[in-house]
Amino acid sequence: DSGVTQTPKHLITATGQRVTLRCSPRSGDLSVYWYQQSLDQGLQFLIHYYNGEERAKGNILERFSAQQFPDLHSELNLSSLELGDSALYFCASSVSYREETQYFGPGTRLLVL
Amino acid sequence: GENVEQHPSTLSVQEGDSAVIKCTYSDSASNYFPWYKQELGKRPQLIIDIRSNVGEKKDQRIAVTLNKTAKHFSLHITETQPEDSAVYFCAATMNSGYSTLTFGKGTMLLVSP
Repeated sequence: DSGVTQTPKHLITATGQRVTLRCSPRSGDLSVYWYQQSLDQGLQFLIHYYNGEERAKGNILERFSAQQFPDLHSELNLSSLELGDSALYFCASSVSYREETQYFGPGTRLLVL
Repeated sequence: GENVEQHPSTLSVQEGDSAVIKCTYSDSASNYFPWYKQELGKRPQLIIDIRSNVGEKKDQRIAVTLNKTAKHFSLHITETQPEDSAVYFCAATMNSGYSTLTFGKGTMLLVSP
């Protein structure tokens, strides 16, 4: 157990819908990262938050957004869902924003029908 | 941006053999190179990492080597065991001093008894 928690574990929804994925970092970690893992694309970095502020953006679609709250938990919002958004979504956390270990949560498996 | 190439995509070995997975990266400013192991349906877990000021690091049966001049790093697993079977990902930091990671596409390692 890495200490990073994610809810829900599984999510099934329909195209066009909107969902919210939640992540709680390890105690003491200020950074949260979101990744998308699909079979053909591997682990793709989406976005990084540090202490409530956006730090870096990767290949995140405009339909996707995220935020980090004062208690440091983070939410990833996915809207206007398409079949291709079906994937495993991981969050990871680290102590700061420097080059250091990222600890991954168990992931949320999203299936868009 | 950073690009990380990983080879091979699949690797089959007999129990007790050694396994080597290689990665190359494009950003010469990258300074941190972690390796993650992901078992089916589970989270990626850090198994070893190396920083640019070190050429080699070892932890029991696992070792990582780094050649900054050639911009490649490798994972070496000796005396492989069936429980080593998993997907292994290499990664490199995108921007010097920051923790945003670019991952390779992964290597599926199968260790046969």
